[in-house]
Amino acid sequence: DVKVTQSSRYLVKRTGEKVFLECVQDMDHENMFWYRQDPGLGLRLIYFSYDVKMKEKGDIPEGYSVSREKKERFSLILESASTNQTSMYLCASRQGGNNEKLFFGSGTQLSVL
Amino acid sequence: EDKVVQSPLSLVVHEGDTVTLNCSYEVTNFRSLLWYKQEKKAPTFLFMLTSSGIEKKSGRLSSILDKKELFSILNITATQTGDSAIYLCAFSGGYQKVTFGTGTKLQVIP
Repeated sequence: DVKVTQSSRYLVKRTGEKVFLECVQDMDHENMFWYRQDPGLGLRLIYFSYDVKMKEKGDIPEGYSVSREKKERFSLILESASTNQTSMYLCASRQGGNNEKLFFGSGTQLSVL
Repeated sequence: EDKVVQSPLSLVVHEGDTVTLNCSYEVTNFRSLLWYKQEKKAPTFLFMLTSSGIEKKSGRLSSILDKKELFSILNITATQTGDSAIYLCAFSGGYQKVTFGTGTKLQVIP
């Protein structure tokens, strides 16, 4: 079974801190995604990557950046955390090509105080 | 702009009822439509639909896609309390992007 691992389940940070959320997948998937999930708003795409060192903005990239130096790892970076970035963050991966199925990590609940 | 709209936003039914969840979309470069169930944290995959009119079925759950009218439905028959969850619809479009709707929160009461 595909395993997508997010480094933290719960994280509490202060406003202005730099925050790193890490995601690792073990199935050599080409594509990786970062979403945030807020009540009433569903899953919104922040960034995705279709290959190593490649990244594309999603629908809400402002205030975030990403890094994909190795195929298995996709990091989400909050350069200067703000209270409106308090949310559930979900990472996902998929093989790519014609294989559309996404596999999700368990999520990181981030609170910015 | 690509868009996915799910309805209703929430639903409360009694065990044994049949429910129909709706998903409509406006997309460029449609590749597939995906349904997920989210109970706690990680959404789990239910169905992937690429062709119109072909029903996918898994136990009490089934789904169908209409590419002409740009919508999909997810049916759950003989609902159980374990079906309580958020049901998410997503489409996979151009440039490898996957866009989700807001989800439908289903609560099944005994």
